[in-house]
Amino acid sequence: GENVEQHPSTLSVQEGDSAVIKCTYSDSASNYFPWYKQELGKGPQLIIDIRSNVGEKKDQRIAVTLNKTAKHFSLHITETQPEDSAVYFCAAGDSGNTPLVFGKGTRLSVIA
Amino acid sequence: DTEVTQTPKHLVMGMTNKKSLKCEQHMGHRAMYWYKQKAKKPPELMFVYSYEKLSINESVPSRFSPECPNSSLLNLHLHALQPEDSALYLCASSRQGGGAFFGQGTRLTVV
Repeated sequence: GENVEQHPSTLSVQEGDSAVIKCTYSDSASNYFPWYKQELGKGPQLIIDIRSNVGEKKDQRIAVTLNKTAKHFSLHITETQPEDSAVYFCAAGDSGNTPLVFGKGTRLSVIA
Repeated sequence: DTEVTQTPKHLVMGMTNKKSLKCEQHMGHRAMYWYKQKAKKPPELMFVYSYEKLSINESVPSRFSPECPNSSLLNLHLHALQPEDSALYLCASSRQGGGAFFGQGTRLTVV
């Protein structure tokens, strides 16, 4: 089955700096890679996703890149703000209803 | 409407109680999920319903009993839980090939 590794487990950055979180996956059949942000006491929120036919996707300050050959994908947050502080989860799945497999999460702290 | 609504938000129950968690979505998603999340851990899949039929049960103890009355509703019936079952219970839904949308969860404490 699929296995998703996520690094780092914690990340502290100064406000305004960039943050990068990296994930690797094992199953070459996976073709859908979402990222979730979870704030304290709330459910995970889908913030961006990428499919295997695309190498990069951007949405304002957030971007995701995918390297299918190396089986890794990354989340990039630019110009970080204190409200970006949260736990971020990557996940991998196929385009059917096979449930997503989650990474273990990265706790991002943005220091003002 | 892009929301998944879960009730209640918080629940405290004794080990002999019976209670139910409820989840509702009106996005037309035909897959619905129950996850359990412990502190500082990722969500852990419990059940998947596809087109109102149970398609995946991740070896969950029978004290957890899911139900999908229709395409918009998902319930999780709880009976004779243990203190180690205390966790955040998350409901999610998705369309075919799409990302899962999560509710805000029910914080369950078993005393």
